Amino acid sequence: DVKVTQSSRYLVKRTGEKVFLECVQDMDHENMFWYRQDPGLGLRLIYFSYDVKMKEKGDIPEGYSVSREKKERFSLILESASTNQTSMYLCASSPYSRDRRGDTQYFGPGTRLTVL
Amino acid sequence: LAKTTQPISMDSYEGQEVNITCSHNNIATNDYITWYQQFPSQGPRFIIQGYKTKVTNEVASLFIPADRKSSTLSLPRVSLSDTAVYYCLVGDRGFQKLVFGTGTRLLVSP
Repeated sequence: DVKVTQSSRYLVKRTGEKVFLECVQDMDHENMFWYRQDPGLGLRLIYFSYDVKMKEKGDIPEGYSVSREKKERFSLILESASTNQTSMYLCASSPYSRDRRGDTQYFGPGTRLTVL
Repeated sequence: LAKTTQPISMDSYEGQEVNITCSHNNIATNDYITWYQQFPSQGPRFIIQGYKTKVTNEVASLFIPADRKSSTLSLPRVSLSDTAVYYCLVGDRGFQKLVFGTGTRLLVSP
């Protein structure tokens, strides 16, 4: 069965802290994604990766960085957390699609991050 | 980028058929249309995907007219457990990048 796991369901951090959000998928998928979800704004793509050590900026990359050292793991890093980064963070993965169509993305349960 | 427009919310009753329409006027030739469902405190879940005409699976049907500038998700005989947010997405030209809108919040009442 398809599975995407995220390191924490709930996380509370202080302003200025460095925050790591981890995501692991067990489906051998090439593509992985990080989104944030805020009320009234839907899901917004932060970064995505289509291969190990590869990354692409999404719509709102400012204040974030990512790391993909292994195929199954994609980390989101907040170098210096700020209160406006309080949000629900969702990780997703999808298999490679040769025709570049929007293929099925499998989502993790999400991490609700609060920055005080 | 192919943006989508959906109603913010819809109400229905158990046993009714629900149709949620999505507009995507700038859809590109290679783009597919995908719908996701999201329950509170969970990540979105894939429901159905199509390119043109009609697609049906065990959960829903997807109707896409010839011009592909809109699509309609049809949920037959909804139940209380279908209360969720439904997102219409169009595959972007970027590699696997999908654009989520704000979705349609469906409330099913007894």
